[in-house]
Amino acid sequence: EVQLVESGGGLVQPGGSLRLSCAASGFTFSSYWMHWVRQAPGKGLVWVSRINSDGSSTSYADSVKGRFTISRDNAKNTLYLQMNSLRAEDTAVYYCARASSGSLVSWGQGTLVTVSS
Amino acid sequence: QSVLTQPPSVSAAPGQKVTISCSGSSSNIGNNYVSWYQQLPGTAPKLLIYDNNKRPSGIPDRFSGSKSGTSATLGITGLQTGDEADYYCGTWDSSLSAGRWVFGGGTKLTVL
Repeated sequence: EVQLVESGGGLVQPGGSLRLSCAASGFTFSSYWMHWVRQAPGKGLVWVSRINSDGSSTSYADSVKGRFTISRDNAKNTLYLQMNSLRAEDTAVYYCARASSGSLVSWGQGTLVTVSS
Repeated sequence: QSVLTQPPSVSAAPGQKVTISCSGSSSNIGNNYVSWYQQLPGTAPKLLIYDNNKRPSGIPDRFSGSKSGTSATLGITGLQTGDEADYYCGTWDSSLSAGRWVFGGGTKLTVL
């Protein structure tokens, strides 16, 4: 069974940093592109970032470019999102998702990030 | 403002049919596969339709997808109260050099 389990969310002050993790199991992690998607309270889904299967290529939404870094450790079957210079508007539930056949086929349960003083 | 445009809400009675539209451009829907996601209240999104019109294992055939040009449509027949959810379309957008994934703003389905 495919499982994606996010962790690392919490309350952080504006300007602070946080690193999210997504532990993958049930599939060959190193074969798939992975994405981060976020959802602010009461709002829609917003794509954040993606990384290719070997970690050599990444892309970001304009709203997080230069502040967030996506990475992966295929030996540990884990996806990461390093978030720096956090702003109130980054407050959201962050989901990791596995990509395949041009779609986001599997999603984690999400981890809540709250940026507030 | 989302890159893909969906109606904010749709509604229909149990047993009826509903369609949800998703409008984009040549840099996204026009040249890439569209997928649809169902998000039940308080849960993570779930893939409903991929490659424009394919259903993952376990998704009933009451759900269907289609694409024409720069628009896509999700259809749901035999509506059930358990179908009340938010529905999102998504696709790859190649307008920027590195590409990006884009979603519609979401459509809230109410089964009256």
